[in-house]
Amino acid sequence: GAVVSQHPSRVICKSGTSVKIECRSLDFQATTMFWYRQFPKQSLMLMATSNEGSKATYEQGVEKDKFLINHASLTLSTLTVTSAHPEDSSFYICSAEGRGNEQFFGPGTRLTVL
Amino acid sequence: TQLLEQSPQFLSIQEGENLTVYCNSSSVFSSLQWYRQEPGEGPVLLVTVVTGGEVKKLKRLTFQFGDARKDSSLHITAAQTGDTGLYLCAPGRGTDKLIFGTGTRLQVFP
Repeated sequence: GAVVSQHPSRVICKSGTSVKIECRSLDFQATTMFWYRQFPKQSLMLMATSNEGSKATYEQGVEKDKFLINHASLTLSTLTVTSAHPEDSSFYICSAEGRGNEQFFGPGTRLTVL
Repeated sequence: TQLLEQSPQFLSIQEGENLTVYCNSSSVFSSLQWYRQEPGEGPVLLVTVVTGGEVKKLKRLTFQFGDARKDSSLHITAAQTGDTGLYLCAPGRGTDKLIFGTGTRLQVFP
């Protein structure tokens, strides 16, 4: 089956620093990847759609200058949280779209900003 | 944006009990998907329902798609502790993007 990995699985950083999260499709190519964030006991909220070779499409209310997305290859998308603050602490999940438009989700990255 | 409301939000039951989770919208969908997410992990696809009125069974889980394709339900028979998790519905990928429902958090106690 299709596998999506995320790295790191968890990260703790100081307020004001930037954190990069990687999302990789391990055994398939994904033109489109999606980034979600999830607060405790809540559902997943779509942040942005990442398309290989073009600019990401951000959902309303998501700051594109704060959450930088790069989808430079068909197997890798990165999300960089710039100048992170405690309110950015969350569980970040990516998904990659395979053939037939099926979504395959990564295991998530837990970000804690101190 | 197509909103999917799930009910109940939280459900706490004992092993062996039956339960039903609902996913409702005012929009019509070409298909609906159900996912289960365990703590600290990504969601895992359980099923996709496509045809209005369709019923799909996955062991003790029964999924139904409403006749009008606006709603869906998930029924679990004889719940087990391993069923604990967050259950999410979402439109099938025929739409532009995958927007999840509000979620139902299920806790099954031994």
